[in-house]
Amino acid sequence: DIQMTQSPSSLSASVGDRVTITCRASQDISNSLAWFQQKPGKAPKSLIYAASSLQSGVPSKFSGSGSGTDFTLTISSLQPEDFATYYCQQYNSYPLTFGQGTRLEIK
Amino acid sequence: EVQLVESGGGLVQPGGSLRLSCAASGFTFNSGWIHWVRQAPGKGPVSVSRINSDGTSTSYADSVKGRFTISRDNAKNTLYLQMNSLRADDTAVYYCLKYTSGWTWGQGTLVTVSS
Repeated sequence: DIQMTQSPSSLSASVGDRVTITCRASQDISNSLAWFQQKPGKAPKSLIYAASSLQSGVPSKFSGSGSGTDFTLTISSLQPEDFATYYCQQYNSYPLTFGQGTRLEIK
Repeated sequence: EVQLVESGGGLVQPGGSLRLSCAASGFTFNSGWIHWVRQAPGKGPVSVSRINSDGTSTSYADSVKGRFTISRDNAKNTLYLQMNSLRADDTAVYYCLKYTSGWTWGQGTLVTVSS
């Protein structure tokens, strides 16, 4: 199975900040990488697919980049509703595998 | 709009069975793979199973192989997961997922295995 390693595991930031979360795959996954946001007790919400394509309806403050093994999610101008847990997910090969999550907290 | 709606979760005793359903709409259901993923309390998501477009190919996580069976009814636009011999570590929210120009998740259904 492909291992996905996210960093940091938690992050404190202020409203208005710009933050970056990284995700590293244990082998080349091309651009088969997705990011999603999850709030407590809620289903995941997809943000990015194909490493850098914005899911329909997702604001452009979210952006993704990378290919191969190294990927980033950037969130600009943080708002209160952005504080949540973020996961990366590879879908280059089965099984789908996920990072351990990054908990974004208000400073 | 692509939509997935899971149902069938609940409280079951160890060794019991449940059948989950995932009703799909807003896309051509009989195209491509569709997945079950689960998320235990406080943990990240984990793949459980997948099935191809016509149901002729399936895959399972080692932890559920031989106990869970995935199937689909393309006439009803519905995905299923038959879960037998349930154990406490099967307790999780179960989601169905579909890739159609990005990933769509259902709202999930909670399965609790406890005596």
